[in-house]
Amino acid sequence: GENVEQHPSTLSVQEGDSAVIKCTYSDSASNYFPWYKQELGKRPQLIIDIRSNVGEKKDQRIAVTLNKTAKHFSLHITETQPEDSAVYFCAAFSSGSARQLTFGSGTQLTVLP
Amino acid sequence: KAGVTQTPRYLIKTRGQQVTLSCSPISGHRSVSWYQQTPGQGLQFLFEYFSETQRNKGNFPGRFSGRQFSNSRSEMNVSTLELGDSALYLCASSLEQGGSNSPLHFGNGTRLTVT
Repeated sequence: GENVEQHPSTLSVQEGDSAVIKCTYSDSASNYFPWYKQELGKRPQLIIDIRSNVGEKKDQRIAVTLNKTAKHFSLHITETQPEDSAVYFCAAFSSGSARQLTFGSGTQLTVLP
Repeated sequence: KAGVTQTPRYLIKTRGQQVTLSCSPISGHRSVSWYQQTPGQGLQFLFEYFSETQRNKGNFPGRFSGRQFSNSRSEMNVSTLELGDSALYLCASSLEQGGSNSPLHFGNGTRLTVT
């Protein structure tokens, strides 16, 4: 089945700096890669996603890049703000026999004022 | 439109007991997935139901089971509880199966503590 690895597990940045979270996946049949943000005590919420036919997608301060050859994708947050502090999860959807969304282990991002 | 509703929010059980968790999806969503969240383990997939049928199952023992009703509401049952079952159980609904063409919408979860 699919295996998604996420790094780093914790990340601290100064307010205004950029943050990058990286994920790798194992199943070449994976074709959909969402990112979820979970604030403390709250539910995970989708913040951005990308499909395998696209290399990059941007939404204001958030961008995601995908390298299908290397099987890795990354989340980029620019001009970080304290409200960006949360746990971020990457995920990969395999279109093969499993057809399920597999999540990474999460990254605790802390934006220091 | 109401979001995904999970009940109860908190539950304390003792080892050996069984527990049933409930999830009401967003109106119109036919897929319900269940995840177990523990510190350091991220979100572990339990199973997915679509149109009352289990479509996919994660690597959890048979003590974990579920079902989906005709109105898309879903229940998850854990029998013979173990201490390691203590976790936040999240339910997520989506329009289509698998969460690939339509995003997952999560509930607030049920915090299960096994003593």
